[in-house]
Amino acid sequence: GIQVEQSPPDLILQEGANSTLRCNFSDSVNNLQWFHQNPWGQLINLFYIPSGTKQNGRLSATTVATERYSLLYISSSQTTDSGVYFCAAVVFDMRFGAGTRLTVKP
Amino acid sequence: EAQVTQNPRYLITVTGKKLTVTCSQNMNHEYMSWYRQDPGLGLRQIYYSMNVEVTDKGDVPEGYKVSRKEKRNFPLILESPSPNQTSLYFCASSYGDKRYEQYFGPGTRLTVT
Repeated sequence: GIQVEQSPPDLILQEGANSTLRCNFSDSVNNLQWFHQNPWGQLINLFYIPSGTKQNGRLSATTVATERYSLLYISSSQTTDSGVYFCAAVVFDMRFGAGTRLTVKP
Repeated sequence: EAQVTQNPRYLITVTGKKLTVTCSQNMNHEYMSWYRQDPGLGLRQIYYSMNVEVTDKGDVPEGYKVSRKEKRNFPLILESPSPNQTSLYFCASSYGDKRYEQYFGPGTRLTVT
């Protein structure tokens, strides 16, 4: 099945800083989603982005399908952005990356 | 409000005592699936269903059963739970199949002692 790798595994930021999270995948995808898992364990849909660029407030995502990667940008980070960010990709199976744990300090 | 619901949200049980975790969606989605999340392993698919009465195994189906008698419901059954099934479980649904945007339930934290 498809391999999904996320980097960095851990990221610590000061409030107000910007960050970029990366998701590499090993094959062309039919689906690419980004999720935020909050400290209570809930998975929150951020983006459905098999290709192109989308923005939602301080967050934006870009998937370059031909080069098999996706980026999640977080600008002006806030403490509520803390948690784990997962990307998930679908070829025949849906595979999740191991996640990036983000800690935003006040 | 469009949503995927799971019950219970938290459950502590003992080895061998049969349990069912319910999942329901109100979006008329054809595709539903179950995942488990374990530290360091991310989310792994247990079972999925393409439509009513159509189910198939995911990556880690051992020890689990599912049924899809109605479009909106997709219960996960543990006939004889064991401690290695202690995990955080998520139900998800989407139109069509897994290629489309998936919506996740709030999760069920299961502890088997």
